[in-house]
Amino acid sequence: DAKTTQPTSMDCAEGRAANLPCNHSTISGNEYVYWYRQIHSQGPQYIIHGLKNNETNEMASLIITEDRKSSTLILPHATLRDTAVYYCIVRVGAGNQGGKLIFGQGTELSVKP
Amino acid sequence: GAVVSQHPSWVICKSGTSVKIECRSLDFQATTMFWYRQFPKQSLMLMATSNEGSKATYEQGVEKDKFLINHASLTLSTLTVTSAHPEDSSFYICSARIRDAGFFGPGTRLTVL
Repeated sequence: DAKTTQPTSMDCAEGRAANLPCNHSTISGNEYVYWYRQIHSQGPQYIIHGLKNNETNEMASLIITEDRKSSTLILPHATLRDTAVYYCIVRVGAGNQGGKLIFGQGTELSVKP
Repeated sequence: GAVVSQHPSWVICKSGTSVKIECRSLDFQATTMFWYRQFPKQSLMLMATSNEGSKATYEQGVEKDKFLINHASLTLSTLTVTSAHPEDSSFYICSARIRDAGFFGPGTRLTVL
């Protein structure tokens, strides 16, 4: 699976949009981009995933560049409860050995009042 | 939907004893589950892939005789840490896959004295 690069940490003001970048320049055509977050001492929480089209759900939006070498997770109105480590993962969507989620170091997002 | 539970949420045991951790998919069936562990201030590390009705597949460097995995039904996988030692103290997290996404349990904190 392709490797991802994320900033180690970011700050965001409460109520503002949080834009979390991720580089995945070696992504293959059949690899999806997934975003998870982990609040301290809890299991990771699924946020969103996409292949090449932009995606939006009740939690966030995922913007994938046309060449698919990078993406941005957008939390439109960050709250203090969004403070967490955010992980960007690329993964083959299916298959016997596919489906493994390999976590990098992620971005520690701090939402400040 | 897509709820994964773990039991127990925390356990303290003496060195040399064995500990069993359960992972259940509550509202869906999962042919594949994954086991991770996480040390303080580190990312999640994949330990093994658990397939219903067959042997688990372990990641490189993970001792299969020490971390026994049983996936006996479509909603239950268990991880047994055999002859636990203080260095096995960690946060153990399971994940179950449904459709294209993986959903995580809340984790089990193991402390070996």
